Amino acid sequence: GENVEQHPSTLSVQEGDSAVIKCTYSDSASNYFPWYKQELGKRPQLIIDIRSNVGEKKDQRIAVTLNKTAKHFSLHITETQPEDSAVYFCAASMFSGGYNKLIFGAGTRLAVHP
Amino acid sequence: DVKVTQSSRYLVKRTGEKVFLECVQDMDHENMFWYRQDPGLGLRLIYFSYDVKMKEKGDIPEGYSVSREKKERFSLILESASTNQTSMYLCASTLLGGNTEAFFGQGTRLTVV
Repeated sequence: GENVEQHPSTLSVQEGDSAVIKCTYSDSASNYFPWYKQELGKRPQLIIDIRSNVGEKKDQRIAVTLNKTAKHFSLHITETQPEDSAVYFCAASMFSGGYNKLIFGAGTRLAVHP
Repeated sequence: DVKVTQSSRYLVKRTGEKVFLECVQDMDHENMFWYRQDPGLGLRLIYFSYDVKMKEKGDIPEGYSVSREKKERFSLILESASTNQTSMYLCASTLLGGNTEAFFGQGTRLTVV
């Protein structure tokens, strides 16, 4: 089955710096790669996603890149702000056999220091 | 405003009890998922369902079962609760196909004593 590995597990940056979180997946049939942000005590929420027919997607200060050959995808946050502090999860999904299966990485705890 | 609602925010149960965690969504989603969240382990998939009465095992189904009698409701059942099932449980739902956004419930923190 699908396995998603996520690194690093913790990341500490100064406000204004960039942050990069990397994920790898195992199943080449996966074709959808969302990223979720979970603030303390809250439910995970989608912040950006990318589909397998696209190599890069950007939304203001966040961007995601996908390398299907290497089975890597990454989240890039520029000009980090204290409110970016949260746990970030990558995930991989495929639609196969009539259903979706959504598998998450272990999460990255990002701390942005003023 | 889309909603996924879990029946309890906090639960304390005794070892050996049968425990029911309920999840209801109002978005007419076909897919529903149960995850457990533990520090350092992320969100691990327990079971999922893509239609009424249909279910598939996730990565850690041992000690759990599920029920999907109605499209909007997906129940997680701990047949005989054990202390290693103390965790945060999250329910999520998505549309079927097309790989769309997952909406999560607020989570149930279960403590088994």
